Formats: sequence, C-alpha cells, structure tokens
Amino acid sequence: DQQVKQNSPSLSVQEGRISILNCDYTNSMFDYFLWYKKYPAEGPTFLISISSIKDKNEDGRFTVFLNKSAKHLSLHIVPSQPGDSAVYFCAVLPDTGTASKLTFGTGTRLQVTL
Amino acid sequence: NAGVTQTPKFQVLKTGQSMTLQCAQDMNHNSMYWYRQDPGMGLRLIYYSASEGTTDKGEVPNGYNVSRLNKREFSLRLESAAPSQTSVYFCASSSIGYGYTFGSGTRLTVV
Repeated sequence: DQQVKQNSPSLSVQEGRISILNCDYTNSMFDYFLWYKKYPAEGPTFLISISSIKDKNEDGRFTVFLNKSAKHLSLHIVPSQPGDSAVYFCAVLPDTGTASKLTFGTGTRLQVTL
Repeated sequence: NAGVTQTPKFQVLKTGQSMTLQCAQDMNHNSMYWYRQDPGMGLRLIYYSASEGTTDKGEVPNGYNVSRLNKREFSLRLESAAPSQTSVYFCASSSIGYGYTFGSGTRLTVV
C-alpha cells in the first residue's frame, strides 16, 4: 500500500522555464514533507522541506507547496537549469522524533534541456 | 568531513553467497538506516537503528540482517543472496529531526 505516490516517472522542461513536480500522499497525519534530489551514482541529498502547518516554503529557485485538503505536495523550480537534471523524490515524516522514518515516493526524473 | 561512507561501491554475487555491506558515519548521529532503491519503487526501508544497541525492521526486511556495531557503524548482511536482492543499497544517518545524510550507495548484482 503505497503511502506516497509520484505519478509522473519523468518530466522534460526547457532551460529557463518552470519545472513542476508533483506528489500525493494518503495519510493526513504526516508531520513533515521533504524533497530529495539524486544524481546518478550518488546518494539522495536534501533539497527543501515543509511543515504540515504551512502551505508554502521557498528557498531560492525552489518552492514547495502543500495542499493538505488534497493531500498533495508540489515542487516548483524557477528558472530551471541544466544542473537541475536529476531524479527527485518526495518523502514524508510522521514526526521529527528519534529515528523517525522517511517514506519515499517512487521518484520523478527531471531533464532540463537547452 | 566524510559524512556517511559505504563499502563496497560495487559487488557481484552468485545466488546463495553471503556478504556484508558496511556503513560508517562520522557525524555523531544516533539513528542509522538501510534503504534499497529499485526502478519504479523509490527507496524502501530495510532496517533501521534508532540508537546504538537497537535495531528494527523496516518495510522490506526479509532476507537481510543488520548489526549496529557501535554508534558509528551499521552493517547489512545478506546470508544467502537471491536475484531479487539485486538493487542499489543506501545507508543513511540522522540526528533528531529530519536531517538524513545518505551515503553514495552500493550497487549489488546477484546472478
């Protein structure tokens, strides 16, 4: 039973345009929502997060939106750059206590073209 | 600052062979995790250790065992490897909160 779903396995966007990556979750009790970025042959690295009490968090070119009523999370990248080409995973945390376990989505491969 | 170090980076096993994947972190984190990544499946938690001396099963523990040797080291053992265990394995560590740091992965092929 997949708790976190990323329905688009891949996305191609032109350099300079907006990239929108989407994520849906099933459990309304999750406390934190995160995005990780992964390059080939490397481990995932933390990108941006949002608490369940907020609906938007911005960090430079990256903005995460949370729609709790729809149980939907999205990541906007503006403007997209070729170096953003990677696999993006959304992830959820039930809380921030000791050994709180991240549950990941299936990932979306973003390709930013010139 | 090395962060999370995994060894080996690549491994090919024959069905039935055993091996141990090693993981060490130098960030003084209490919690450590083992995930596997498969195409179309994302990252799935195999085992985790909330603190030194404790281990618990994750989502896909069958066929694996773990040892939290000390605060720094968390190993994953495959006693009798199967082709279904062909995957990329990631170790991670975290402090209180959501500060996961991942290693660069071990690519395992079981033939």
